[in-house]
Amino acid sequence: DGGITQSPKYLFRKEGQNVTLSCEQNLNHDAMYWYRQDPGQGLRLIYYSQIVNDFQKGDIAEGYSVSREKKESFPLTVTSAQKNPTAFYLCASSIDLFVGSKFFGPGTRLTVL
Amino acid sequence: QQQVKQSPQSLIVQKGGISIINCAYENTAFDYFPWYQQFPGKGPALLIAIRPDVSEKKEGRFTISFNKSAKQFSLHIMDSQPGDSATYFCAASGQGAQKLVFGQGTRLTINP
Repeated sequence: DGGITQSPKYLFRKEGQNVTLSCEQNLNHDAMYWYRQDPGQGLRLIYYSQIVNDFQKGDIAEGYSVSREKKESFPLTVTSAQKNPTAFYLCASSIDLFVGSKFFGPGTRLTVL
Repeated sequence: QQQVKQSPQSLIVQKGGISIINCAYENTAFDYFPWYQQFPGKGPALLIAIRPDVSEKKEGRFTISFNKSAKQFSLHIMDSQPGDSATYFCAASGQGAQKLVFGQGTRLTINP
């Protein structure tokens, strides 16, 4: 089955620690995205990548970093510089930048203790 | 100008009733308006989408109504069912998928 997998589903982090969220897709999509979702708010774009070895900042990139070494993988690192990291993180992918083809993964809930 | 305003924040509808969620936008460059459905603990899934060259699009019990002059669009769920209980997001895009702007979301509850 084609789709997007995110791991882990739940993640707990102590303050001051970096943590990496995994996102893998087998849809053969070129573009991948990371969103942050907070209660009662819409999704906000953190980073996106249109092709391998290239990525761009979204609206709330501060305190986050990404890499895109393989087409299938787009891991997100939440650094200690992110002041309020507790949130639900969603990975998505699409064919090129065609919005109609955008699929979302199941999400990772990050809690900072 | 990049915002999409969604209302209401929460909505309770009786089974069999019509659920209506509204969105408004300012940016006239937006040309694609999708709606997403999200169940608790899951990622959003594309439900239905419309482009501004039509005023209405229907897929099963779900209908988007689009008013270009008012810069508003809405989702209608006919014969609402308990399985429709979820959070619904409207969105708008005009410059590619990386520019997709989301509304704040509406938590819909269908009472049996």
